[in-house]
Amino acid sequence: QQQVKQSPQSLIVQKGGISIINCAYENTAFDYFPWYQQFPGKGPALLIAIRPDVSEKKEGRFTISFNKSAKQFSLHIMDSQPGDSATYFCAAVTYQTGANNLFFGTGTRLTVIP
Amino acid sequence: NAGVMQNPRHLVRRRGQEARLRCSPMKGHSHVYWYRQLPEEGLKFMVYLQKENIIDESGMPKERFSAEFPKEGPSILRIQQVVRGDSAAYFCASSPDFSTDTQYFGPGTRLTVL
Repeated sequence: QQQVKQSPQSLIVQKGGISIINCAYENTAFDYFPWYQQFPGKGPALLIAIRPDVSEKKEGRFTISFNKSAKQFSLHIMDSQPGDSATYFCAAVTYQTGANNLFFGTGTRLTVIP
Repeated sequence: NAGVMQNPRHLVRRRGQEARLRCSPMKGHSHVYWYRQLPEEGLKFMVYLQKENIIDESGMPKERFSAEFPKEGPSILRIQQVVRGDSAAYFCASSPDFSTDTQYFGPGTRLTVL
């Protein structure tokens, strides 16, 4: 089953606007939540990540908000730019089982209109 | 420092043939992960290897698929007797050790089965 649920599937935002992508998970053993950015024909690249002991992490225009009790986390892209147009994946990983494979959401295709 | 390298970037096989995908991790990285991405879907974990050891192959189909990471040389993902459903992008990621959160992804191999 899908361990990490992501929405929306696609998103269109005007330049300068805020892009918001949401993810939810069930497994309380997850202890690291990265976001990856993928351009067409390329591999995913780590954008920003958070641990469940903090509620927010900000790096430049990118912010992760984390709600541990609701088991939800979201990516906010402030002042969205056409160059941000890409597919974004949330992911989760647990280190408790001896394996640290990433569980990915299904992706959000972001288009930023000039 | 070169990133994760994968080759070939594109591979075309006919049904029943074998596909061999190669992954060279980043310098100093001894942990390799393979993921598969079907069209319009997120990445799905297949297998996690350290040098000469398979740590977790829970995501790998039990038949036709195998992976190795020898002491010398790249990691190999082998798909025997390929079928059309194997058509996908296969990504390799690496990390320096188990305790490191970040996995660095290669550009992927796009396999097309005719």
